[in-house]
Amino acid sequence: DSGVTQTPKHLITATGQRVTLRCSPRSGDLSVYWYQQSLDQGLQFLIQYYNGEERAKGNILERFSAQQFPDLHSELNLSSLELGDSALYFCASSVDLAETQYFGPGTRLLVL
Amino acid sequence: EDQVTQSPEALRLQEGESSSLNCSYTVSGLRGLFWYRQDPGKGPEFLFTLYSAGEEKEKERLKATLTKKESFLHITAPKPEDSATYLCAANLRDSSYKLIFGSGTRLLVRP
Repeated sequence: DSGVTQTPKHLITATGQRVTLRCSPRSGDLSVYWYQQSLDQGLQFLIQYYNGEERAKGNILERFSAQQFPDLHSELNLSSLELGDSALYFCASSVDLAETQYFGPGTRLLVL
Repeated sequence: EDQVTQSPEALRLQEGESSSLNCSYTVSGLRGLFWYRQDPGKGPEFLFTLYSAGEEKEKERLKATLTKKESFLHITAPKPEDSATYLCAANLRDSSYKLIFGSGTRLLVRP
């Protein structure tokens, strides 16, 4: 157990819908990262937050957004969902920038 | 373009048969090279971080090494419980702290 928690574990929804994925980092970690893992793309970096501020963006779609709250938990919002958004979404946290990232158990999203 | 490539894609070993997994990287500047283990449907589990060429780290049956262009994960006398996908990732020396992952090596150790 890495200490990073993610909810929900599984999510099934329909195209066009909007969902919110939640992540609680390890106690004391200030940085949160979101990654998407699909069969054909592998693990891809989406976005990073550090102490409430957006720090870096990867190939995150405009339909996706995220934020980190004052208690340091983070949410990833996915809207206008498409079939291709079906994937595992992982959150990772680190105590500081450039430190080891510890991954949560992931949320499996299925868009039908 | 920054890239991390792992080989082989899949590896089948008999219990006790030692082998090595390769991770080659082409990046603008490497801050650190990470190895993770991932079981099906689970999140990646941290194994090692290597920061400079020549560095080695060991944990049980695993040893990770780093050169200027690649990293190796050596598995000595593997057991069936070592079966998993092993991922390497490069942390770049730039303003972002993202990890660029390779596609992984799926290891199966048969009893």
